Amino acid sequence: EIVLTQSPDTLFLSPGERATLSCRASQSINSRYFAWYQQKPGQAPRLLIYGTSSRATGIPDRFSGSGSGTDFILTINRLEPEDFAVYYCLYYGDSLRAFGQGTKVEIK
Amino acid sequence: QVQLVQSGAEVKKPGASVKVSCEASGYIFADYYMHWVRQAPGQGLEWMGWIHPNSGDTRYAQQFQGRVTLTRDTSISTAYMDLSTLTSDDTAVYFCTRDGPGDIIPEDYWGQGTLVTVSS
Repeated sequence: EIVLTQSPDTLFLSPGERATLSCRASQSINSRYFAWYQQKPGQAPRLLIYGTSSRATGIPDRFSGSGSGTDFILTINRLEPEDFAVYYCLYYGDSLRAFGQGTKVEIK
Repeated sequence: QVQLVQSGAEVKKPGASVKVSCEASGYIFADYYMHWVRQAPGQGLEWMGWIHPNSGDTRYAQQFQGRVTLTRDTSISTAYMDLSTLTSDDTAVYFCTRDGPGDIIPEDYWGQGTLVTVSS
């Protein structure tokens, strides 16, 4: 069973700053099946990044993903007010799904 | 446009079962896996399982094996999630979510969520 651990739990930043979110897998995973989601209160999650680094339709280019093996990163350049939300990583290989516990990006 | 519309909120007593529906439109229902994900109040996302509407094949997360049943009715493009032997720990918002096209894009469309409250 693959376990994804995100860090930090909460990130306090100001608009305009860069956010760097981490997700570590309990074992090496196929980066083809790694994604990031954004969730705002009262809403369903929204797909941001799939295949580690490909942006989903309509996602601005300030969002970028990278990583391989066990370590993956979501970078948000120049935070906009609408980017303050909770972010989840997801592994979706082997016909299963595993979510990280989430990182909340809060306004400092 | 793709839409997933779920049934309304439910209140259940401990030990009961709940069945949540998810009506799909805007695409060929039979062609895409449907997943179910839940979220307890203030908590993260928890994957429950998937069903392939064409074949009816299912796969469940280990922690729900024996307690969850996913079914579908292709004639009305609707997927169902049935969860039995409810406890207060099952109080959560339940989402249906469609797998993306191909095998590289994960769940890209989500229902609005259905709140299930388990309380005596």
